[in-house]
This record gives sequence, structure tokens and C-alpha cells, in this order.
Amino acid sequence: GQNIDQPTEMTATEGAIVQINCTYQTSGFNGLFWYQQHAGEAPTFLSYNVLDGLEEKGRFSSFLSRSKGYSYLLLKELQMKDSASYLCAAIDSNYQLIWGAGTKLIIKP
Amino acid sequence: ETGVTQTPRHLVMGMTNKKSLKCEQHLGHNAMYWYKQSAKKPLELMFVYNFKEQTENNSVPSRFSPECPNSSHLFLHLHTLQPEDSALYLCASSQTTGGGSSPLHFGNGTRLTVT
Repeated sequence: GQNIDQPTEMTATEGAIVQINCTYQTSGFNGLFWYQQHAGEAPTFLSYNVLDGLEEKGRFSSFLSRSKGYSYLLLKELQMKDSASYLCAAIDSNYQLIWGAGTKLIIKP
Repeated sequence: ETGVTQTPRHLVMGMTNKKSLKCEQHLGHNAMYWYKQSAKKPLELMFVYNFKEQTENNSVPSRFSPECPNSSHLFLHLHTLQPEDSALYLCASSQTTGGGSSPLHFGNGTRLTVT
């Protein structure tokens, strides 16, 4: 079967760095998305990786290793507004999105 | 403002009621989706429309009935729901139905409670 694993919840301190991991097992692979979802709001697109390596976008970076079936989202200089759920989704060979259950990130002052 | 608008934001309905959820996208996209989001579970894809044609129905019970009159509007008609149908229902749109060049844009969802 197809599966995405990511931690249920993480806690970090304002100003620090946090890494949210995601491992996937899919039938084929055509890339991976990260989305951010604040409580009561829409998920919003953060990043897309299809090639191995690190993609940086300001304070947020996303990494992919296709050989290991692994990705992470790195958040630097954490701010209180980064408290949200982070959703990982892989695209399989049929271009279907396989979603993780999300990681709730709690930022403490 | 996400470009995808859903109404109502909250809905409480009895098991014998009939109601509809509405979604409108202002992004000029060609594909629209209904997802169900339950606490601590992955997003569940329910229906996909591409250029107004339904291309996917993920074994959704018939008490959920989608309608897509044009590429900008999507409805989800609800009748004789069960308490386990209580969840956040998310509408999304994308330029096309495949690949990373076409990320999903989500609405804020309808929080549905079935009593």
C-alpha cells in the first residue's frame, strides 16, 4: 500500500530552527508537496520537490532524497505565526496525491 | 483571501436533512476537488472534476452527491448523513490535474457537524 509518515506533533522555541520529517512509500513518484495549515484555515502551498536536494525559500527550506523516500521541511528563525500544521503529500505514478496526517507544530516563546 | 471561497463556513444538520456546500474559485483553474479532513487523519480525496467532467469518485457513499455546473463552481449535496460524516470539507482547485507544476489551492472549508 501507499503511505506517508510524519510526526504527529512537534514543539519548538521562537527564534530556533525545526526540521519536520516525512517518509513516503508510493507506487512510483512524481514529486512531493509541503503545505501549511493554520487552525481553521485553508492549507496553503509551501514547496514542491521532484529532484534530490534542497530548495530554499526565505526562512523555509525543503529537502528531498528519492533514493531514501524521505523529505524534510526546515523552518529557521521561528516566529509565533509559524504555529500551524504542516502537511506532506507525495505524487504517485498516476499523479494521485498521497497525503500524510500532518504535523502540528507548536511554537513557544 | 485564498482565491477559493467556500460557503457556509459552519453547518450543523440532522441526519434527515438535505443541505449543500458551495465552492467558487476565481483563479481560472480547470480542475476542482472535494476533500474530507478529519482530525489526525490524512486528507481524503472524494471527487475530482476536470473541465466540468467528473474524473474521480473515490468510493464515496451516495449520500454525498457532487455537482459541477462550470469550471468555477462546485457543489456538494448532502442528504441522510451519518454522525461519522462530521468533518471539515475542503474544496480545492488547480490548473491541471497532474504534477507538481499545478499545486492545489484550497478554500477555508466547511466545518460540518451531523447530529
